[in-house]
Amino acid sequence: NAGVTQTPKFQVLKTGQSMTLQCAQDMNHNSMYWYRQDPGMGLRLIYYSASEGTTDKGEVPNGYNVSRLNKREFSLRLESAAPSQTSVYFCASSETPGLAGASGNEQFFGPGTRLTVL
Amino acid sequence: AQKITQTQPGMFVQEKEAVTLDCTYDTSDPSYGLFWYKQPSSGEMIFLIYQGSYDQQNATEGRYSLNFQKARKSANLVISASQLGDSAMYFCAMRGLNTGGFKTIFGAGTRLFVKA
Repeated sequence: NAGVTQTPKFQVLKTGQSMTLQCAQDMNHNSMYWYRQDPGMGLRLIYYSASEGTTDKGEVPNGYNVSRLNKREFSLRLESAAPSQTSVYFCASSETPGLAGASGNEQFFGPGTRLTVL
Repeated sequence: AQKITQTQPGMFVQEKEAVTLDCTYDTSDPSYGLFWYKQPSSGEMIFLIYQGSYDQQNATEGRYSLNFQKARKSANLVISASQLGDSAMYFCAMRGLNTGGFKTIFGAGTRLFVKA
């Protein structure tokens, strides 16, 4: 099992360019998430998908769109990149919270994408 | 609003000694879960331990234990017998289960340095 995979690993964009970050999981999880991590800060939730066919805003959704393509895949799109979107982006997946007893349904993270917007 | 506070930007510990990483939280959700994740220099996020707000006993996972004090709203991570490989960033996180449980918030992290 590969777990959670993300592509690309690194990306440099110019201001105004668009791009899509891809994420896939092979753990049959219902829920998927996109986070960003900035220096000196913890992860902040951008968007999440509770289950296939649904998406919802997290803490910092502005400037991003998402698509839950199927149960396995959840993509993040930057329509017009800005320098403030320079960050490391993590995708994660989990079982639906609350449905697996005392385990807490921890999130499993991908390796991250380091994005620089010039 | 929910909030996680980690007041120790950096911590040093001697190899083989125990270390406590502090985490305090604030939430109005009556049911919530607390998590600790480790982020080594390679960058991946690794789940360590979970504590549910209604759990009667403190969680333990190998060398990791969670000192959960609900009245004080603290969920400190204790690492026993520190190893050089424990050097990493550690993040405390919280998820409110009664609000759907999907929105997890993270603290700013504590960087742990283990000295040989």
